[in-house]
Amino acid sequence: GENVEQHPSTLSVQEGDSAVIKCTYSDSASNYFPWYKQELGKRPQLIIDIRSNVGEKKDQRIAVTLNKTAKHFSLHITETQPEDSAVYFCAASPMEYGNKLVFGAGTILRVKS
Amino acid sequence: EAQVTQNPRYLITVTGKKLTVTCSQNMNHEYMSWYRQDPGLGLRQIYYSMNVEVTDKGDVPEGYKVSRKEKRNFPLILESPSPNQTSLYFCASTRGGLFVHEQYFGPGTRLTVT
Repeated sequence: GENVEQHPSTLSVQEGDSAVIKCTYSDSASNYFPWYKQELGKRPQLIIDIRSNVGEKKDQRIAVTLNKTAKHFSLHITETQPEDSAVYFCAASPMEYGNKLVFGAGTILRVKS
Repeated sequence: EAQVTQNPRYLITVTGKKLTVTCSQNMNHEYMSWYRQDPGLGLRQIYYSMNVEVTDKGDVPEGYKVSRKEKRNFPLILESPSPNQTSLYFCASTRGGLFVHEQYFGPGTRLTVT
């Protein structure tokens, strides 16, 4: 089955710097890659996603890149702000399971002001 | 307001005492799932349902049961809870169709089994 690895497990950056979180997946048939943000005590919420027919997607300060050949995708946050501090999860959807998502272990992002 | 609700939000129970965590969504979504969240392990799928009366095991189904008698409800049942089921549980729903769509999560249920 699909396996998703996420790095780093914790990341501390200075406010205004960029943050990059990387994920690798094992199933070449996976075709949907969302990123979820979970603030302390809250539910995970989708912040950006990308499908396998697209190499890059951007939404204001957030961008996701996908390398299908290498089977990895990354989340880029520019001009980080204290409110970006949260746990970020990547996920991959194995095509044969419809809406199934396999999540990475998560990255704790701390933005220091 | 479109939402996924779960009850209870917090539960402390003892080993072996059957419990049910309810989940309901008002978005007419076909797909519903249960996840458990443990430190360092991310979110792992317990069971999922593709529609009424259609359920299947996820990655960690042992010790859990589910049912889907109505489209909006997807309860999680622990027949004989054990301490290793202490965790944070999330229900999620998403619409069906050819492509994968955003999953909407409930607020979570923190379960402690002593």
